[in-house]
Amino acid sequence: DAMVIQNPRYQVTQFGKPVTLSCSQTLNHNVMYWYQQKSSQAPKLLFHYYDKDFNNEADTPDNFQSRRPNTSFCFLDIRSPGLGDAAMYLCATSSVGGIEKLFFGSGTQLSVL
Amino acid sequence: SQQGEEDPQALSIQEGENATMNCSYKTSINNLQWYRQNSGRGLVHLILIRSNEREKHSGRLRVTLDTSKKSSSLLITASRAADTASYFCATGDTGGFKTIFGAGTRLFVKA
Repeated sequence: DAMVIQNPRYQVTQFGKPVTLSCSQTLNHNVMYWYQQKSSQAPKLLFHYYDKDFNNEADTPDNFQSRRPNTSFCFLDIRSPGLGDAAMYLCATSSVGGIEKLFFGSGTQLSVL
Repeated sequence: SQQGEEDPQALSIQEGENATMNCSYKTSINNLQWYRQNSGRGLVHLILIRSNEREKHSGRLRVTLDTSKKSSSLLITASRAADTASYFCATGDTGGFKTIFGAGTRLFVKA
């Protein structure tokens, strides 16, 4: 089945140690999103790609970067994780951003020790 | 950034009762969507209503949209214990490609 896959499901990193989260999709969607969700809060949009066009939210910390080497894959890089970056990170795709529904992966729960 | 508020923040009902959740938003929208999230999982799309629509149904779900009041409601009829989850509204903006989520309502359905 076509889907959005996030790996790993759980990730533990140390304070200040770079970490990369991955997302792949078989839907061939143009738009890929990364959301951060802290406990009992709404998903917060970090950035999105429309094809190769990268769009950063104004309040996304510089510590967060993203790469999209091809249509299928998108990566979230956290250069120096702090304790406040512990959260669920959700990848989503959409055929046309803002107009059609989002398809979400299962998320990666990041812990920072 | 968060688009708006959801009301109530938490809701506890008995199985078989109806559950109503409300969502308000701030900006012009192309559409409004409702998503469900089970604890510790990704979000699942439930229903999308476009800005020129007023009401939409899908199974036990009924969504209304009032663009003049910038608000929407989600009604789940004849709730089941399996409906226990968090429910989020989200808006697709007219100017870009973003979908922004509201704070969510945590629904607990008691068997």
